[in-house]
Amino acid sequence: NFMLTQPHSVSESPGKTVTISCTGGSGSVISNSVQWYQQRPGSAPTTVIYDENQRPSGVPDRFSGSIDSSSNSASLTISGLRTEDEADYYCQSYDSTDHWVFGGGTKLTVL
Amino acid sequence: QVTLRESGPALVKPTQTLTLTCTFSGFSLSTSGMCVSWIRQPPGKALEWLALIDWDDDKYYSTSLRTRLTISKDTSKNQVVLRMTNMDPVDTATYFCARRLAAVGHFDYWGQGILVTVSS
Repeated sequence: NFMLTQPHSVSESPGKTVTISCTGGSGSVISNSVQWYQQRPGSAPTTVIYDENQRPSGVPDRFSGSIDSSSNSASLTISGLRTEDEADYYCQSYDSTDHWVFGGGTKLTVL
Repeated sequence: QVTLRESGPALVKPTQTLTLTCTFSGFSLSTSGMCVSWIRQPPGKALEWLALIDWDDDKYYSTSLRTRLTISKDTSKNQVVLRMTNMDPVDTATYFCARRLAAVGHFDYWGQGILVTVSS
């Protein structure tokens, strides 16, 4: 089974930079089609990064994405943290067998 | 303006079949490249992709749930229907429908979700 593993939680102070990782499990090769979604409590997810490092219109350039093939992982980096960035973040990728797969989610606390 | 809205029962009994409808506007599922998917989220847990149907009526299912799921579309009504058989309390979740463009990797528009509780 294709699996994506994320840290359960991360925390950082306002103004700082935080990176959230998304690692493919054994036999799960991360492609360049990795998306990142932000989900605030009680709301549907919204895309902050798609296709590895593309930002939808309206998403600030404080959000960036990257892939490291050598470690089979993707990363979401948020710079200049703001309190409104506090949310759950999910990575998502595609596998030819399991199709669209989400990571377990990371709770970002901005304190 | 693209919108999606889920509808269906809020409560189902164990062993029953759940039928959810996603009614959308602002695009047509007969347009090449258009796809609609169902994704669920148990309370306090992660997102789980369930099924996707595309403009060409190709259907894709979660490996772990494929025997219980059926996705279909009614292009004239701008609706996508998901059926899930043999419901169990572990299927209690918020069910979302979302649009995806084949040329772009992400689910770009989501409905607000519908909470379905499975309980006797």
